[in-house]
Amino acid sequence: DQQVKQNSPSLSVQEGRISILNCDYTNSMFDYFLWYKKYPAEGPTFLISISSIKDKNEDGRFTVFLNKSAKHLSLHIVPSQPGDSAVYFCAASGSYSGAGSYQLTFGKGTKLSVIP
Amino acid sequence: KAGVTQTPRYLIKTRGQQVTLSCSPISGHRSVSWYQQTPGQGLQFLFEYFSETQRNKGNFPGRFSGRQFSNSRSEMNVSTLELGDSALYLCASQRSYNSPLHFGNGTRLTVT
Repeated sequence: DQQVKQNSPSLSVQEGRISILNCDYTNSMFDYFLWYKKYPAEGPTFLISISSIKDKNEDGRFTVFLNKSAKHLSLHIVPSQPGDSAVYFCAASGSYSGAGSYQLTFGKGTKLSVIP
Repeated sequence: KAGVTQTPRYLIKTRGQQVTLSCSPISGHRSVSWYQQTPGQGLQFLFEYFSETQRNKGNFPGRFSGRQFSNSRSEMNVSTLELGDSALYLCASQRSYNSPLHFGNGTRLTVT
């Protein structure tokens, strides 16, 4: 059972336009959400996060929106740049693991291609 | 500040062998986690260590084990390798609870 879903395996966007990457989750115990970017042959790089007490968080060109009632979050990149071309992973965690332990549940990723 | 360092970067092993992967976390990070990435399953949690204790373990068979040393460095071991263990193994460290995980570049394991 996939608790974090990224339903679009790939997305192509023109340079300068907005990229919107979507993510849905099913576990209502998740309370912290993150986006990671991954280039080939490298590990995932943290981009931006949001706590369940917020509905929006911005960091430069990146904004994450959280809709708890719909169990949906999205990552907006404005403006998109060719260097943003990578695989983007949505991840979630919750304080359900016990003993203060921490684990992330990842979606399977969306490959973003920004066309010059 | 140095990032998370994983060694080796690439490994080729034969079915039935065992393998040990190494991870050095970011200085000052006491929590170390391991994840397996495969094309079919994506990134899956293996286990998490804090102060030399395993705090949490994912849904993997007992052939997968790990440990953490007093300097927070960690190793993971896979015994009796199977073809399906071919994957990218990622180590991540964390400064404090609910702070982001910082990943290394992984060890690419190929089992033939």
